[in-house]
Amino acid sequence: GAGVSQSPSNKVTEKGKDVELRCDPISGHTALYWYRQRLGQGLEFLIYFQGNSAPDKSGLPSDRFSAERTGESVSTLTIQRTQQEDSAVYLCASSLWAELDTEAFFGQGTRLTVV
Amino acid sequence: DAKTTQPPSMDCAEGRAANLPCNHSTISGNEYVYWYRQIHSQGPQYIIHGLKNNETNEMASLIITEDRKSSTLILPHATLRDTAVYYCIVRASIRGKLIFGQGTELSVKP
Repeated sequence: GAGVSQSPSNKVTEKGKDVELRCDPISGHTALYWYRQRLGQGLEFLIYFQGNSAPDKSGLPSDRFSAERTGESVSTLTIQRTQQEDSAVYLCASSLWAELDTEAFFGQGTRLTVV
Repeated sequence: DAKTTQPPSMDCAEGRAANLPCNHSTISGNEYVYWYRQIHSQGPQYIIHGLKNNETNEMASLIITEDRKSSTLILPHATLRDTAVYYCIVRASIRGKLIFGQGTELSVKP
């Protein structure tokens, strides 16, 4: 597709379960970013990838959160033992490069609700 | 990355120019000014960015002061569809990530 694709668009899970969120970046984009946005709040940076490596994981809130990227393409954000405070929209973005002045394109997000 | 300050909200009449200010007094020489917007329930959308010179594209104009301590995003003829939260971000190209502040909630009214 032409844009950043995220799946699922909505996810409801029970507290304590693990969830996986997927991001398909724009083809050819080497940089990929994950953000979290709680209801009514701004975007919190979680992690970014340049290729398959993650130079900056500083925003991951706890060791329950992890992310990986393979083939310089799809990325998965995994949240283990979900808690109610994990409820948020998780946004993915991609850009040609992380370390040049190129713009990032965002997906529509995955709305996660932990009940 | 330098901190930015934006008014929390602004109103604009439909068809008029919307001028959104941003202060970034601690910006350093290698940091760019980026603007994104987020329409309700959508992902953020890139608008424009610049380093020193004023920039214009099909969506907006970006005016950066000579000392680079502040900038203004101009939407020349605002429409109702421009109602959104507008984020001003200062980013060093070597840092990779974009850090979003609270932004300005722009309401375009008929």
